[in-house]
Amino acid sequence: NAGVMQNPRHLVRRRGQEARLRCSPMKGHSHVYWYRQLPEEGLKFMVYLQKENIIDESGMPKERFSAEFPKEGPSILRIQQVVRGDSAAYFCASSLEMRSYNEQFFGPGTRLTVL
Amino acid sequence: GENVEQHPSTLSVQEGDSAVIKCTYSDSASNYFPWYKQELGKRPQLIIDIRSNVGEKKDQRIAVTLNKTAKHFSLHITETQPEDSAVYFCALPPVDQAGTALIFGKGTTLSVSS
Repeated sequence: NAGVMQNPRHLVRRRGQEARLRCSPMKGHSHVYWYRQLPEEGLKFMVYLQKENIIDESGMPKERFSAEFPKEGPSILRIQQVVRGDSAAYFCASSLEMRSYNEQFFGPGTRLTVL
Repeated sequence: GENVEQHPSTLSVQEGDSAVIKCTYSDSASNYFPWYKQELGKRPQLIIDIRSNVGEKKDQRIAVTLNKTAKHFSLHITETQPEDSAVYFCALPPVDQAGTALIFGKGTTLSVSS
């Protein structure tokens, strides 16, 4: 039973390039959450998606960031025109159902470095 | 919206001692309180959680207590071991939003020295 998968694990981009981060939830999970973790800080919620729907994107910057979770394939977090401040670890998590006490399982994260 | 504060930010203990980390929250309607452990360079992993209908839950050397009146919950680790060294995060779901995304505390770096 594979856990939450994320790739790439490490991503280096130059300022102005695009970054695409992928997340495959655990088998049977249809709820995906993206979090960002800056060095030595906690995790900050970015966006919550179900298949083909964005449910809550209140934590995502209005510009340059977008997310999708298509009917087929992984969830994608896309950052356009990256800046140095985007350097962080990006974690996705998945859960089985939308209930406030459902455990969220985290992926290994993608560490984005912007040069 | 919901707010969660976590203390202390760092905690150093000797092997065998106990460690206590506390989180306070603002919304009295909160009903689920998980704790996550994150080892260096690894993913956060749930170690224990508690629902609002109980005051304490224990799992071997770790326990979580909840005080709904005072709006705080605490993680207790007894007989600490070097492998307990990690960053611990409390979390809770916002009660007024559609999803179940978690609001995390800023973390406590626990160092257990042998």
